Amino acid sequence: EAQLLESGGGLVQPGGSLRLSCAASGFTFTSYAMSWVRQAPGKGLEWVSVISGSGGSTYYADSVKGRFTISRDNSKNTLYLQMNSLRADDTAVYYCAKATGDRVLDYWGQGTLVTVSS
Amino acid sequence: QSALTQPRSVSGSPGQSVTISCTGTSSDVGAYNYVSWYQQHSGKAPKLMTYDVSKRPSGVPDRFSGSKSGNTASLTISGLQAEDEADYYCCSYAGSYTFIFGGGTKLTVL
Repeated sequence: EAQLLESGGGLVQPGGSLRLSCAASGFTFTSYAMSWVRQAPGKGLEWVSVISGSGGSTYYADSVKGRFTISRDNSKNTLYLQMNSLRADDTAVYYCAKATGDRVLDYWGQGTLVTVSS
Repeated sequence: QSALTQPRSVSGSPGQSVTISCTGTSSDVGAYNYVSWYQQHSGKAPKLMTYDVSKRPSGVPDRFSGSKSGNTASLTISGLQAEDEADYYCCSYAGSYTFIFGGGTKLTVL
């Protein structure tokens, strides 16, 4: 069964940067697109970004376009999210998720909390 | 893109059935048969309950069923149980690898 483990969250000042990681196991990592989804405290889920299995295609929500960069290292079975120019409204639990058939997020990690505050 | 529209809350007694609606547009829910539903207990990660409108992953009870008509998808939970109390989110594929979620519905089992 697929397992996903996020890391890298923490407290960062507005305007700062942070890189999240997601270690994957239990499936053939290169065969699946991977996504990041976030959830602000007490709020709903918001899709953030997705990357194809090869890493050659990336897509972003308008709210993070130009500030966040998704990437993956298929040799390490690891997904990343580089977050720059962070704002208070980026405060959220960030989940990584495996995308099956590029159309359903079927396995999720436990999430990592990012807090943007001075 | 705006979030898909869900009722903020629904409730039902044990053994009853409840239906949660999810309304989108002709660019997302109406365009693809790729609607999924997630259950999220407090402090936990979302769990996939149905996908491709009406399919269930292995291990999900058949009390959970999905459907779609036009731009509106629905999740029906029959034979409500106490452990079904959670937040439920719909999600639609929106083309080009992108996804859009609903605002979430809090299910209370009375």
